[in-house]
Amino acid sequence: NAGVTQTPKFRILKIGQSMTLQCTQDMNHNYMYWYRQDPGMGLKLIYYSVGAGITDKGEVPNGYNVSRSTTEDFPLRLELAAPSQTSVYFCASSPYFSGANNEQFFGPGTRLTVL
Amino acid sequence: AQSVTQPDIHITVSEGASLELRCNYSYGATPYLFWYVQSPGQGLQLLLKYFSGDTLVQGIKGFEAEFKRSQSSFNLRKPSVHWSDAAEYFCAVGARGNNDMRFGAGTRLTVKP
Repeated sequence: NAGVTQTPKFRILKIGQSMTLQCTQDMNHNYMYWYRQDPGMGLKLIYYSVGAGITDKGEVPNGYNVSRSTTEDFPLRLELAAPSQTSVYFCASSPYFSGANNEQFFGPGTRLTVL
Repeated sequence: AQSVTQPDIHITVSEGASLELRCNYSYGATPYLFWYVQSPGQGLQLLLKYFSGDTLVQGIKGFEAEFKRSQSSFNLRKPSVHWSDAAEYFCAVGARGNNDMRFGAGTRLTVKP
């Protein structure tokens, strides 16, 4: 049971490039989340999903897109990378039966730098 | 929306000393409250959570936290800190009925030998 896995671990992008951050969970959780973590700012919710085919915006969605075609996968897409998107990105999941406000299980994070 | 404040950015304690990390929340009803720990280069791991009932909750690694409604606080405590407790600690608050969880800015704990 690997839990929540994220790839890549590190990435450097040039301004204007695009990329997809991958997230997979093997716990059969319906709820999945993407957060960004900036120094001194805690975690901010970017997007979340309550099940396959259903996504919604969080607190800071601008510049990002998501999709959820399966229960296991929840990729995050950056279309036109900007320096303001330099951050550490965390994917998380939580079990459906407890709702979104129960324990979240986090992946190890992706450190993204945009130059 | 709910919010959470962690007043201490960085705390240093000696190994074996007691620890208290502060967390204050803002929410109009009884919140869901969590403490997570993040070791360097790792994702967040849940230490403990409060939903209802007993206001003193026990967590993993010898941590406990007390919910005080009158003070809107959920402080994390440990009676004797170990060097392996050095990490960043996040308090989080979730509201009943929505999917929004808000995290504090975190408190970095340094443990002196």
